[in-house]
Parts: sequence; C-alpha cells; structure tokens
Amino acid sequence: GAVVSQHPSRVICKSGTSVKIECRSLDFQATTMFWYRQFPKQSLMLMATSNEGSKATYEQGVEKDKFLINHASLTLSTLTVTSAHPEDSSFYICSARGLYGYTFGSGTRLTVV
Amino acid sequence: GEDVEQSLFLSVREGDSSVINCTYTDSSSTYLYWYKQEPGAGLQLLTYIFSNMDMKQDQRLTVLLNKKDKHLSLRIADTQTGDSAIYFCAERDGANNLFFGTGTRLTVIP
Repeated sequence: GAVVSQHPSRVICKSGTSVKIECRSLDFQATTMFWYRQFPKQSLMLMATSNEGSKATYEQGVEKDKFLINHASLTLSTLTVTSAHPEDSSFYICSARGLYGYTFGSGTRLTVV
Repeated sequence: GEDVEQSLFLSVREGDSSVINCTYTDSSSTYLYWYKQEPGAGLQLLTYIFSNMDMKQDQRLTVLLNKKDKHLSLRIADTQTGDSAIYFCAERDGANNLFFGTGTRLTVIP
C-alpha cells in the first residue's frame, strides 16, 4: 500500500535555530502534499498545501516566511520551521495525496527549548 | 474551511460498543473518513464511506452516514483496550480538500 515516510520523528532544537522536516512518498507519486499541525486540544490544523513545482498555498494565519515549504519533486516535500520559538513546539504531520487517497506520515514531535 | 465537529472524550468499558459521532457542514462532501491516532503516532486510516452510501461495515467497525443531517458515526463493537486512541473524522469536499474534526479521545476501561 501507499507509504509516506516522515523524518525526523522527534527533534529538539534551541530557540532561534531552524528545523527541517521531510515527507516522502515511498511508492507513489504525490502531486499534492499537505502539512498539518496538531494543537494541545488534539485538533489538526491544515497549515499549507503544496503542489509539486509550484509555491505552497498557506492557510490564513500561517506565516509563510516562518514555515517554509518546498515540494521540489513528486515524492518529497519539506517543511522548514525557521527561527523556531518555544511556541512552535508541536506535532507536525504531513499527508500526501495519490491516486487512491490520502496517506499520512507518522508525524514529527518538535520541541523548542 | 468547513466545520467538522466531534465530542472530545468518550469512555467505555472493555467489551462494550463505542460510538463516536461527527457532524459536518459541507453539502458537497464526496468521501468521509475515520482515522485513528495512537499516542505519539501519525494518523492511520481506519475506514471511509462514499457520500452516497449510508452504511459500511468492516469487521468490528460500522460507519453510519446520515447525509440529510450531515451526521457520521463510527461504531466499534467489542471494544478492546488496544482501541484506546484518538479518532478523527474527516470529510473531503468537492475540491478535494480534506477537513478534520477535533478528534475524540476514546478511553477503554478494563
């Protein structure tokens, strides 16, 4: 079945540094990838939608300069949290849309100290 | 985006049935999904239903859809402790966007 690999699964970084999270579709081509953030009350918030080879579409309230999304190929999208702050600590999940629906990555727990 | 709502918590005793409810507002939904999230993990697709169906059964899982009321439910028969997790419903709209509910934390009491 369709598999999406997300790395790293956990990362701890210092305030002010940048962190890159990768999302790869291993056995299918994903024309569209999505990035979600999970808030403490467990709801998932869509941050942005990225289409291969074009700029990501950000949801209202999400800072595009802070959360840089790159979707350079049909199998890889990256989310870079720039100049991370403790309030950016969260669980980030990617999803890839292929022919047969959506497949989610396993998530990345980001802790900014 | 569209509104998808769920109650936040549900507790059941082991062996009982669990029913997790979800309401949504989008009239153009094409598919509706149930995902399971175990602690520290990503989302696992449990089942889905096409919007012109009203019921789908898959082993211990039964999905009921009332399209008129925009109400979706997931019934888990003979709930086990391993079913303890957060369950998200999601709906796909006509533009292929996916909207999630807030998630329901299911606790199974031994």
